[in-house]
Amino acid sequence: KQEVTQIPAALSVPEGENLVLNCSFTDSAIYNLQWFRQDPGKGLTSLLLIQSSQREQTSGRLNASLDKSSGRSTLYIAASQPGDSATYLCAVRSATDSWGKLQFGAGTQVVVTP
Amino acid sequence: GAVVSQHPSRVICKSGTSVKIECRSLDFQATTMFWYRQFPKQSLMLMATSNEGSKATYEQGVEKDKFLINHASLTLSTLTVTSAHPEDSSFYICSALLANTEAFFGQGTRLTVV
Repeated sequence: KQEVTQIPAALSVPEGENLVLNCSFTDSAIYNLQWFRQDPGKGLTSLLLIQSSQREQTSGRLNASLDKSSGRSTLYIAASQPGDSATYLCAVRSATDSWGKLQFGAGTQVVVTP
Repeated sequence: GAVVSQHPSRVICKSGTSVKIECRSLDFQATTMFWYRQFPKQSLMLMATSNEGSKATYEQGVEKDKFLINHASLTLSTLTVTSAHPEDSSFYICSALLANTEAFFGQGTRLTVV
């Protein structure tokens, strides 16, 4: 059974620092991996989707890498801003799942202080 | 990105009554939608997979008679919490798959049963 772990559980940084969020998964047979952002009391916003054949994806200040063989993905957020404060979740879709179910990590709660 | 709209965002109901939550994909068709439940400070728990035109597939431990799911069209899935009790109070979130690849989430529904 696929297990997804996110470290650290919480992170606090001063504005302007780069953020590094880690996600690891136990089964390397994945279809894709998604990073999401969740604000308190809200739904999830899709940030980046990495297909299993890709090594990284970039969108603005966000960059996500994928190392399938070692079961790891890292989300980098450059030059953090207070508006980046949120919980970040990674989710993995298994290569053998035809429905598209996602297995979520517990999330990393990020606080960016002004 | 694609838009998934969930309604209502908040609902308070009396114990013993039923509540319906709607999930709509606004700018794409979704053969498959998912319903999640989220407890405070925890990650998402998948409740069921909803497929257009067929019965939903429920995860182990989820009561199908209490959580009725209907996926009547390619843009609409509904979750009905029947005979709601205080322990059903939670945050419910739906998601829809775009092109069977990327998951987009609704804003979530805060259900409070009094």
